[in-house]
Amino acid sequence: AQSVTQLGSHVSVSEGALVLLRCNYSSSVPPYLFWYVQYPNQGLQLLLKYTSAATLVKGINGFEAEFKKSETSFHLTKPSAHMSDAAEYFCAVSGIKAAGNKLTFGGGTRVLVKP
Amino acid sequence: DAGVTQSPTHLIKTRGQQVTLRCSPKSGHDTVSWYQQALGQGPQFIFQYYEEEERQRGNFPDRFSGHQFPNYSSELNVNALLLGDSALYLCASSLVSGGEKLFFGSGTQLSVL
Repeated sequence: AQSVTQLGSHVSVSEGALVLLRCNYSSSVPPYLFWYVQYPNQGLQLLLKYTSAATLVKGINGFEAEFKKSETSFHLTKPSAHMSDAAEYFCAVSGIKAAGNKLTFGGGTRVLVKP
Repeated sequence: DAGVTQSPTHLIKTRGQQVTLRCSPKSGHDTVSWYQQALGQGPQFIFQYYEEEERQRGNFPDRFSGHQFPNYSSELNVNALLLGDSALYLCASSLVSGGEKLFFGSGTQLSVL
């Protein structure tokens, strides 16, 4: 069984400030981990993924995430927020042998960027 | 190259009715998954289709059924609609041979009155 917990349903940051979105997971098998972004009235777009290679993963739009097995965490960061980063972000987990398999998502974190 | 396309974009139904949602996968993809995203929540896995068969199913009642066609497109059917079925329904496509990356459509917003 797998589950994802995203701490904080809403995060407000100033433009240019650090963005930190927290994700903790539970998985009975080695996990694949993902971060997706959802803009209003759109589907989900993959930001980055961890698939058992490097623990620090770099994604699109300047985002990165670090897999910490001991903490069962996969937090998402961006050094400097931009207005275009305002969106909802979802962390997700799947089993390591789950090619194209089902994802279990967290509840999401909505990011507001203040000018 | 078209990505994942879903139709219709919006739909309004009344309780007890039946609805069919449609999805065309990204070109070259052979696997289609459906997710339900209720307002303010993360998407929940409904089921996945490959080779016209249901491969996996999430914790959804039998009122939710699907189909995959030879061209890999897919339909999601929901019978006896309940108010709680109101949600954004997302379709995602991938390759069964190495597709841990899913491509999502923009979804169908279903409102049940």
